[in-house]
This record gives sequence, structure tokens and C-alpha cells, in this order.
Amino acid sequence: DTEVTQTPKHLVMGMTNKKSLKCEQHMGHRAMYWYKQKAKKPPELMFVYSYEKLSINESVPSRFSPECPNSSLLNLHLHALQPEDSALYLCASSPWTGRAYEQYFGPGTRLTVT
Amino acid sequence: DAKTTQPTSMDCAEGRAANLPCNHSTISGNEYVYWYRQIHSQGPQYIIHGLKNNETNEMASLIITEDRKSSTLILPHATLRDTAVYYCIVRATLLSGSARQLTFGSGTQLTVLP
Repeated sequence: DTEVTQTPKHLVMGMTNKKSLKCEQHMGHRAMYWYKQKAKKPPELMFVYSYEKLSINESVPSRFSPECPNSSLLNLHLHALQPEDSALYLCASSPWTGRAYEQYFGPGTRLTVT
Repeated sequence: DAKTTQPTSMDCAEGRAANLPCNHSTISGNEYVYWYRQIHSQGPQYIIHGLKNNETNEMASLIITEDRKSSTLILPHATLRDTAVYYCIVRATLLSGSARQLTFGSGTQLTVLP
């Protein structure tokens, strides 16, 4: 199984809402990533988890709160978002050993903040 | 990590070979060239990577010039499903136990025409 799944596929939320994005992989990867992609732009890294611990935070605003409850799951909790946070949110995973940069991406969650 | 330069867009006739160039004139000796693609509204997909030698897999071939300052991704028989943004990424060899975050450039929009 080389699949990364993300739910929901689409999410519309108001600026006062709290919602969560979910990502799951069963490839035994111990590194998981959140990327944000605005329309017609390349993906940009937000967070990296290794062995369920946050290892990289790319200066992301605190209204985005990641969580890695176990080695297969990665969540992104959203609170008090702004309309400019509307984007495609991509989850990815990769092995923690080896020397290659092969990452497996999920299909993304398309988020609209109203 | 070395900077890459790719054309903004390219067209290719269905069934013909698609040759996507990438310039990476500042590449270092320990940096690999990676190619990913992103079909519209999907997550990026790993295609191939290489260091010095030409590489081939079931998806594509990667030709790296002898001075390693540029490379070409070849899709031998392009189909309509190959229409996507293709990203060329240069990254240093990893130590085992390191995060594998990717820094995407603007990429090349390849359109395969019927």
C-alpha cells in the first residue's frame, strides 16, 4: 500500500470555526509533512514530523496546529483562519532512513475560508 | 540547495516524446536531481531521480549532462494523462535519519495535445 489518504477532500469554514484535517499512511514511514499550496503556486512546506515529534515548523501562524497522535496519523487543527488561508493542504510521508527524497503525497484537502 | 530554472510551459503532441529541460548550473557534487509532477488538483507524484548517470524507470528517463549543469526529463510516449506541472528539484544527499522536505520551484506546465 503506497497510498496517503486525506480527509476531507473539501472543507468550507468560517473565520470563527474550528476544524481539523486528517492524513493517514500505512507504509511504515516515520516522517510526515504538511504543505500548503495556493492557486497556481508550488507547494510550500509547513511542518515536518519525525517519529511523531515536530521537527520543523516553517514559521507557520499559531492558528495552524499540527498533531501526530501515532506513526500513521497526522492532523492539522485549524482555528480562527483568515480568507488568505484558503488553499490546497497537502500531506506527505517518507521513510526516515535511506538517502533519497522520495515522498508520497496525498490528494490534498481544498480549504475555503469564508 | 542549488537553484533550478525550468521553462514556464511546453506543449507536446500525444504519442510523441516530451523532453522537459532543467538548468541547475550551481549544482554541487553531492546533489541529486529529482523530478516530481503534479496533475491538476492532485498531490505531487515522484517520477525519478539521479546523480550523474542517466536513469530510466517505468515512467520516464532522466538525462544528466556530463558537467551536471542541466538535465532533461523524457516521457517517451506522452499521453493526455501526462498533462501536469513538472518540478525539477535539486537536493543534497541525505544523512540517514533526516527529514526529506522538498522545496518546489515554479515548474513547467506540460500540456499534451491530442
